[in-house]
Amino acid sequence: DTGVSQNPRHKITKRGQNVTFRCDPISEHNRLYWYRQTLGQGPEFLTYFQNEAQLEKSRLLSDRFSAERPKGSFSTLEIQRTEQGDSAMYLCASSPSGSLDTQYFGPGTRLTVL
Amino acid sequence: GQQVMQIPQYQHVQEGEDFTTYCNSSTTLSNIQWYKQRPGGHPVFLIQLVKSGEVKKQKRLTFQFGEAKKNSSLHITATQTTDVGTYFCAGGWGAQKLVFGQGTRLTINP
Repeated sequence: DTGVSQNPRHKITKRGQNVTFRCDPISEHNRLYWYRQTLGQGPEFLTYFQNEAQLEKSRLLSDRFSAERPKGSFSTLEIQRTEQGDSAMYLCASSPSGSLDTQYFGPGTRLTVL
Repeated sequence: GQQVMQIPQYQHVQEGEDFTTYCNSSTTLSNIQWYKQRPGGHPVFLIQLVKSGEVKKQKRLTFQFGEAKKNSSLHITATQTTDVGTYFCAGGWGAQKLVFGQGTRLTINP
């Protein structure tokens, strides 16, 4: 399968703990995006990378959130000191450069904060 | 800020009936994309519309982009049970991020 992959698929954590998610985009896709989706809502943009450069961050991304894409391939999203309100599906998407924003989504990581 | 409104939020139809969902932006879009998300799944890309007044068809699905590039619609003819899911529109303004509508959840009575 050469689609976008995300790990883990599910994460249950206690409030106050740190969690890290990983996204592996489709090979040769330069752009990588993180979204958050809560029940009954559409995905909300969090941040976006062009290769290793983080080009845009949403105001939704508080100081407790940090994302990296160190070598321009896979990306990690870390949430520090998790809160119950962080419970959501975290989706990663990638797109090739020049495709006018067509994005291909991974299966997501479902986070539950107890 | 950039917002995309989508209606209706829910739609329940009998199998064989038609279905339409509508998407509106307060500002002119550079493009609009449509995605389908099955229950428990992730959004799957359906189509992208770029040109003013553009109409594209995929079998029983017809996608339209308004002349002013501020609205779009997805119409499904003669729904089948495989059409069940939530349909999202997502607007692009030339920047790389997409702004998604709230989605229309389609359920079908067989």
